[in-house]
Amino acid sequence: GAGVSQTPSNKVTEKGKYVELRCDPISGHTALYWYRQSLGQGPEFLIYFQGTGAADDSGLPNDRFFAVRPEGSVSTLKIQRTERGDSAVYLCASSLDRLVGEQYFGPGTRLTVT
Amino acid sequence: AQTVTQSQPEMSVQEAETVTLSCTYDTSESDYYLFWYKQPPSRQMILVIRQEAYKQQNATENRFSVNFQKAAKSFSLKISDSQLGDAAMYFCAYRIPNTGNQFYFGTGTSLTVIP
Repeated sequence: GAGVSQTPSNKVTEKGKYVELRCDPISGHTALYWYRQSLGQGPEFLIYFQGTGAADDSGLPNDRFFAVRPEGSVSTLKIQRTERGDSAVYLCASSLDRLVGEQYFGPGTRLTVT
Repeated sequence: AQTVTQSQPEMSVQEAETVTLSCTYDTSESDYYLFWYKQPPSRQMILVIRQEAYKQQNATENRFSVNFQKAAKSFSLKISDSQLGDAAMYFCAYRIPNTGNQFYFGTGTSLTVIP
């Protein structure tokens, strides 16, 4: 079956621009997580959704970052006024439920801010 | 604070030999899960092995095994009979099920396998 997919695979944008990164979780998975992986680092938690609601957004670095999941499946991570420090790989993961099942990761979106 | 420390940024091993990757973690929780993930250049995070903290028996998965020392908060990964396809970044991580269940990852160890 299909795994977690993320689009685009790579995104290059100019400083100050707005970007959207998309995550398609595995069908039926209610929990969805976003992580950011900077160069030479492990992934760091940003936000997670249980269903449509953001249950924990404590990892978002500032108010330029926002994520939605309006229908409880696809999620979009939105970054306003991008900065060079936002350059990283953004990973998405989903699991059947917050407590049940493994988290399956997507291949990530590599964001480069020039 | 929840932290994971991988003190070996890079490791190398001869093909068919054994290598051990180190990991220590810090959490005040008593119920958690520990993981090792492999990340090749494709960026895909691949689960290698997991360990429930309440289990004393060390997990094994074919050529991969762990040495879990709960009191010392240590969770090392042993790779036996190393293969060229094992070359990748390896991340140690844990999750706490009573909270959001998000991962806390270490900084990774880059493993090179020498033919």
